[in-house]
Amino acid sequence: ETGVTQTPRHLVMGMTNKKSLKCEQHLGHNAMYWYKQSAKKPLELMFVYSLEERVENNSVPSRFSPECPNSSHLFLHLHTLQPEDSALYLCASSQDNTEAFFGQGTRLTVV
Amino acid sequence: GQNIDQPTEMTATEGAIVQINCTYQTSGFNGLFWYQQHAGEAPTFLSYNVLDGLEEKGRFSSFLSRSKGYSYLLLKELQMKDSASYLCAVTPETRAGTALIFGKGTTLSVSS
Repeated sequence: ETGVTQTPRHLVMGMTNKKSLKCEQHLGHNAMYWYKQSAKKPLELMFVYSLEERVENNSVPSRFSPECPNSSHLFLHLHTLQPEDSALYLCASSQDNTEAFFGQGTRLTVV
Repeated sequence: GQNIDQPTEMTATEGAIVQINCTYQTSGFNGLFWYQQHAGEAPTFLSYNVLDGLEEKGRFSSFLSRSKGYSYLLLKELQMKDSASYLCAVTPETRAGTALIFGKGTTLSVSS
């Protein structure tokens, strides 16, 4: 039990589909993050929300759209993805800039 | 720019000691983290250094030299379950919501 829960764990979608990834944290943290992890590459920061306000958007294509309705929930809406977007998508939370706690991730495959 | 370097792969045997190095060049520095990630699982927090010196936590220790932009993770009495990827990460700022910058990770293989 990591305190950060992501659903679904696995997702296969076509390039024309629309899907959403969900993340929920039960730790009372004030910051949440989306990271992308591809093989042989470092964890890439996608989005940061601090106190429900997006504070960083790391040059991510518009086919990825985040949403943070409250401090406990974070979504990543996906549409018209490309095969190169296949990766592990990790959600994390932290209190200020202390250690981040990660969810188990969503393994996304775009076909 | 932001850059964090660590070796790609390391191998060791059970019971041995291994040191995983990490060097960083970042726009600012407010702490260095080490995470462990088993295949198919989430990264889990191992250690945090913000001041120079050694932090010890059981079989794992982490060292930091801010002047050299250098850290290492020391794993003692290696066990098979220590086979995993070890991620070095730096937080460059003090403000809330500052995301960690990660290295590519070091894959450690422990053999019997």
